[in-house]
Amino acid sequence: KAGVTQTPRYLIKTRGQQVTLSCSPISGHRSVSWYQQTPGQGLQFLFEYFSETQRNKGNFPGRFSGRQFSNSRSEMNVSTLELGDSALYLCASSMGQGEETQYFGPGTRLLVL
Amino acid sequence: GEDVEQSLFLSVREGDSSVINCTYTDSSSTYLYWYKQEPGAGLQLLTYIFSNMDMKQDQRLTVLLNKKDKHLSLRIADTQTGDSAIYFCAESGSSASKIIFGSGTRLSIRP
Repeated sequence: KAGVTQTPRYLIKTRGQQVTLSCSPISGHRSVSWYQQTPGQGLQFLFEYFSETQRNKGNFPGRFSGRQFSNSRSEMNVSTLELGDSALYLCASSMGQGEETQYFGPGTRLLVL
Repeated sequence: GEDVEQSLFLSVREGDSSVINCTYTDSSSTYLYWYKQEPGAGLQLLTYIFSNMDMKQDQRLTVLLNKKDKHLSLRIADTQTGDSAIYFCAESGSSASKIIFGSGTRLSIRP
């Protein structure tokens, strides 16, 4: 079974731009969660999608948004990028129905200049 | 609020046992996890334990949970150079799909 895949793996943007990251969960998994990892703040939960609906949300500004498609693939969008958005963005998938072992993808490393 | 704390660094000699400790605050956590992150890589789930268990063993890994003290530990027996990584303790928090991570413990191995 293929693992969680994320594209692109690396991205460079400039301040004020927007960016879209993609995550394909493990086959059969319906829940996708997104996390931001920075040296200063560590790993922080962004949001979780289940069956195309946002089910949980962390404490991030509205510039961070996401969506999930009917095939459970998820995208995360960050608008009006700031320097502090430079981070490793990780997505994780799980069945989403009680067995909550989450499996992580390799991440997308975003650098904002 | 929910918080997970762990020490930042641990250095052990190759072949010795490593013990990484963690404390958490959310007594309603259902799952407690240990993840491993190697340089430039994502997170690898090492093991997890249900909150109603005291211990779980998986090959060289032993997880101990003291629910009264909200203390979790990971013991790696016969530590090898390939075990060098950052180890994250995590809890499922108020929602099983929202994981709260500690800051990570960087494990280095001495020859």
